[in-house]
Amino acid sequence: EVQLVQSGAEVRKPGESLMISCKGSGYTFAGYWIAWVRQMPGKGLEWMGIIYPGDSDTRYSPSLQGHVTISVDKSTSTAYLQWSSLKASDTAMYYCARQGTWNYDSWGQGTLVTVSS
Amino acid sequence: QSALTQPRSVSGSPGQSVTFSCTGSSSDVGVFVSWYQLHPGKAPKLMIYEVNKRPSGVPDRFSGSKSGNTASLTISGLQAEDEADYYCCSYAGRYIYVFGSGTQVTV
Repeated sequence: EVQLVQSGAEVRKPGESLMISCKGSGYTFAGYWIAWVRQMPGKGLEWMGIIYPGDSDTRYSPSLQGHVTISVDKSTSTAYLQWSSLKASDTAMYYCARQGTWNYDSWGQGTLVTVSS
Repeated sequence: QSALTQPRSVSGSPGQSVTFSCTGSSSDVGVFVSWYQLHPGKAPKLMIYEVNKRPSGVPDRFSGSKSGNTASLTISGLQAEDEADYYCCSYAGRYIYVFGSGTQVTV
């Protein structure tokens, strides 16, 4: 069974750094793109970017590039989403998802990130 | 990349059918359109992919279609458990994907 298990909820202050994770199992992790998707409070889903664990090829949404970093550790089948300086507007639920053939066929349970002073 | 446009909400009685749209530019809404169901507190679930294909386990009352730059999701024989938010998603080129603005379905 394909599973994506995300790290737990986080609370940070503006300006702090943060890394959240998404661990895949039940499939060949290196062979499928992993996407990060956010849902800000009361808003819709927003595609953030993707990474291919096989070679760490990474693509970002033009609106988010430079603010977040997507990375992967193929040896532990884990993808990461990282901020170096959080803003209050980063408060959101973050999902990772496995990209199948032109779709997202498996999703993590979500990680709630709260940024507040 | 702007979000694809969906109606904010639709509603129907149990047993009825509802159809709602997902509209974008010609470069957004191609043949690689998928639909996701989102219940509060749960992870999104793939309901339709490549416009009109259903993953294993998705009831056949869910169907998709596309005409021009508009994709549509139809739920036939509405059931209480279909009450959720639904999002379309399309490949927009250059490895980029875009989601729709979301439609709340009320039964």
